[in-house]
Amino acid sequence: QKEVEQDPGPLSVPEGAIVSLNCTYSNSAFQYFMWYRQYSRKGPELLMYTYSSGNKEDGRFTAQVDKSSKYISLFIRDSQPSDSATYLCAAYSGGGADGLTFGKGTHLIIQP
Amino acid sequence: GAVVSQHPSRVICKSGTSVKIECRSLDFQATTMFWYRQFPKKSLMLMATSNEGSKATYEQGVEKDKFLINHASLTLSTLTVTSAHPEDSSFYICSARGTRPFAYFGPGTRLTVL
Repeated sequence: QKEVEQDPGPLSVPEGAIVSLNCTYSNSAFQYFMWYRQYSRKGPELLMYTYSSGNKEDGRFTAQVDKSSKYISLFIRDSQPSDSATYLCAAYSGGGADGLTFGKGTHLIIQP
Repeated sequence: GAVVSQHPSRVICKSGTSVKIECRSLDFQATTMFWYRQFPKKSLMLMATSNEGSKATYEQGVEKDKFLINHASLTLSTLTVTSAHPEDSSFYICSARGTRPFAYFGPGTRLTVL
């Protein structure tokens, strides 16, 4: 079982809708959680990160972590066509040279 | 956010030649750098992790003699694809991490081997 599971989609929603992207993880050692956005043929861009459980809001984006259920969420309000991209969740234990563990990414399509 | 650059952004080479890709962290010191490979519409595949001044740690199945990684300084890591073949054609992306727990990615390098 992969340590971070993410539905690859595609997820297609109409413009203006609230988007919910989710991941689950299995490693209890994970302490830091990130969301990256990747446009086609580009490197991933860090959107948000959170430490431990809780919510973090940045503009139209809200990241949520529930460590008790090992569940990571990203909400996008007032979705726009420019939000169409692949969204990757990632987790990290904080242990020195360890890398980030990524989900496979969810391909999101916002229909105009 | 922090900036990580990659050079070249695109390279086309003949089979059997070697190609070097540079990854630079422009405004922070990267104690750890990661190299990924990505096929079209597929997820990132971690190839190796390198810490400044020490040998890279390769993921299972990645040939260390074919993909040479050098992390010479806190701002520069290089990936050399030796004796490239068409099956090495892919999108190569580096990421860099400093003192903060998250990593920043470079824009990627598209390698095409003819």
